[in-house]
Amino acid sequence: DAGVTQSPTHLIKTRGQQVTLRCSPKSGHDTVSWYQQALGQGPQFIFQYYEEEERQRGNFPDRFSGHQFPNYSSELNVNALLLGDSALYLCASSLDYRGEQYFGPGTRLTVT
Amino acid sequence: AQTVTQSQPEMSVQEAETVTLSCTYDTSENNYYLFWYKQPPSRQMILVIRQEAYKQQNATENRFSVNFQKAAKSFSLKISDSQLGDTAMYFCAFAGGNAGGTSYGKLTFGQGTILTVHP
Repeated sequence: DAGVTQSPTHLIKTRGQQVTLRCSPKSGHDTVSWYQQALGQGPQFIFQYYEEEERQRGNFPDRFSGHQFPNYSSELNVNALLLGDSALYLCASSLDYRGEQYFGPGTRLTVT
Repeated sequence: AQTVTQSQPEMSVQEAETVTLSCTYDTSENNYYLFWYKQPPSRQMILVIRQEAYKQQNATENRFSVNFQKAAKSFSLKISDSQLGDTAMYFCAFAGGNAGGTSYGKLTFGQGTILTVHP
């Protein structure tokens, strides 16, 4: 049974560029949540997608956007990258929005 | 807004001994869930244990147990018979109810405690 997978593992971008991160949920899960984890800090909730719609959103600017596809996989897009966007981006999936969340290994984004 | 505070940035323990990690939280909600997650150096976040606020009995999971004090808004994790594989960053997390009922949906994490188990 495949767990949550994320791609790419690592990514280096330049300030001002745009980036897309991808997540495939655990088999049977239909909800995906995204978190940003700065170095040495706890993860911070970005948003959650359920039934292809953004269900909840944390305190992140509109530069952060997402999408969920009919197969429940999800993308996180960040526009106009800032140095402060450098972080580990975690995806978590669950069986509906009330379910226990299972995390992926994360994508390490470095903005230079 | 909910907040979760872990006041111990780092802890260390000898193999086979017991260690307790502290966590306090602040919320005005009555229905919520509390979690302890483990993040080893390989980065994958793993759920260790969870507690439903409406349950008075403290949750246990093998060598892991919690001391849930609802009135004090305290939620500590006790690891018994510590093993080298327990070395990791541990996060306390909160998921509160919203309009319509209790939801796991948005996890609020503490700052984490780095636990090192020494041989």
